[in-house]
Amino acid sequence: KAGVTQTPRYLIKTRGQQVTLSCSPISGHRSVSWYQQTPGQGLQFLFEYFSETQRNKGNFPGRFSGRQFSNSRSEMNVSTLELGDSALYLCASSLVGLTNTGELFFGEGSRLTVL
Amino acid sequence: TQLLEQSPQFLSIQEGENLTVYCNSSSVFSSLQWYRQEPGEGPVLLVTVVTGGEVKKLKRLTFQFGDARKDSSLHITAAQPGDTGLYLCAGGEGDGWAQKLVFGQGTRLTINP
Repeated sequence: KAGVTQTPRYLIKTRGQQVTLSCSPISGHRSVSWYQQTPGQGLQFLFEYFSETQRNKGNFPGRFSGRQFSNSRSEMNVSTLELGDSALYLCASSLVGLTNTGELFFGEGSRLTVL
Repeated sequence: TQLLEQSPQFLSIQEGENLTVYCNSSSVFSSLQWYRQEPGEGPVLLVTVVTGGEVKKLKRLTFQFGDARKDSSLHITAAQPGDTGLYLCAGGEGDGWAQKLVFGQGTRLTINP
């Protein structure tokens, strides 16, 4: 079955702009998580959505937001971009259930460069 | 949020050698996962361990979850260039419906031919 699809794969923005990233999870997966990956900080958890509701949130400023649609597709938005927002943004989907052990299936990421 | 410390952060060895990567925490996790990430791609799940003391083998890779479920190790026997990549451990917080993962900083492994 198709994997997690993220678009766009690469993008370049300038400081002050805003950006929207999209993620289509594996069919049947209702949980979508977003992570920021940088060489210095590693993988940092942004937020997780399940059934259109944000269920968990990491320690990022309010400039980072997201949402999930009824078909489980998710978007994340970063407003007023800063140089430090340059990173690989990874989306991961998960099959959630009572026996869930939280395995994540990652997309290839969207690499954002802020100039 | 619980923290996971991975060591070493960087490791470069020759093909055929053995190696061990460690993932440690002062906190208990409900599960522990190992992922491998190659350049330009997202992490890919290698294994999940959930029981204290559990050992799982994946070809030349051996994963162990500590008895107290606070630490884990990944041992690779006779490393090959194809094993090169970023290895990430991730601990599960919570259980059931509301579980989330905390990632270690990663171990960047290079196997030289």
